[in-house]
Amino acid sequence: AQSVTQPDIHITVSEGASLELRCNYSYGATPYLFWYVQSPGQGLQLLLKYFSGDTLVQGIKGFEAEFKRSQSSFNLRKPSVHWSDAAEYFCAVGNYGGSQGNLIFGKGTKLSVKP
Amino acid sequence: DAGVIQSPRHEVTEMGQEVTLRCKPISGHNSLFWYRQTMMRGLELLIYFNNNVPIDDSGMPEDRFSAKMPNASFSTLKIQPSEPRDSAVYFCASSSTGLVGELFFGEGSRLTVL
Repeated sequence: AQSVTQPDIHITVSEGASLELRCNYSYGATPYLFWYVQSPGQGLQLLLKYFSGDTLVQGIKGFEAEFKRSQSSFNLRKPSVHWSDAAEYFCAVGNYGGSQGNLIFGKGTKLSVKP
Repeated sequence: DAGVIQSPRHEVTEMGQEVTLRCKPISGHNSLFWYRQTMMRGLELLIYFNNNVPIDDSGMPEDRFSAKMPNASFSTLKIQPSEPRDSAVYFCASSSTGLVGELFFGEGSRLTVL
C-alpha cells in the first residue's frame, strides 16, 4: 500500500538559514509526489508537484524539491527561510489510476522560525 | 475567484447530536474530497466524489458517517449520532480532472463533540 513518512515532527530554524524537510514514500510505480503547506487555521495549499522528467522541481514561495528514486525520497528545500514560512508542511503521494484518484498525506512537519 | 467554501467554520455539539458539514466546491471542478485532520492520525481521506458519484468511501469510519453530493456545487458530510472521538477539523477540497493531485482546500470545519 502507498504510504508517506515525514520523519521530523517539528523543526526550528533561524530566519535566513537554509531548510530541508524530509519525505519518504512507498509506492509501487512511478509516483506522483506533492508538497503542501498549511498555515494556522487555514486549509492546505499546493507548493509544488512532481510527475516525471526533471527530478528537481520548483514551486511557489521559493521552495524546491528533489525526487530521488533510489532513496524513495522527495525532500523539500529552501535556501533562506523567512519568518512567514512558519507553518506545517505535508508531503503527499498520489494514488491515481488514470485521471481519478486521491492523495495520501504524511503526518506533517511543523516548521518554526527563530528571529 | 471564490475558493472552496465550508460551513460552519466551528461547531460545538453534544454527544448523540446530528452534525452536518457543508461544502461548496470551486465552480468547474469535478472532484470533491472530504478529509479529517486530528493530531493523532493526521490527514485522513474519508471519501471522494468524481462527477458527483462517490468513488472511494473506504475511509469513512463507520455507519455513523455519510456523505452526499446531490449536484456539482454542493456536498454534505453528516455524522449521526456524533461522539467525542469525532472531534476534529474536517476539510473539503475540490479539483479538476486536468489538475492531477492539485487539490484546493477550504478553510475547514472545526468540530467539537462534548
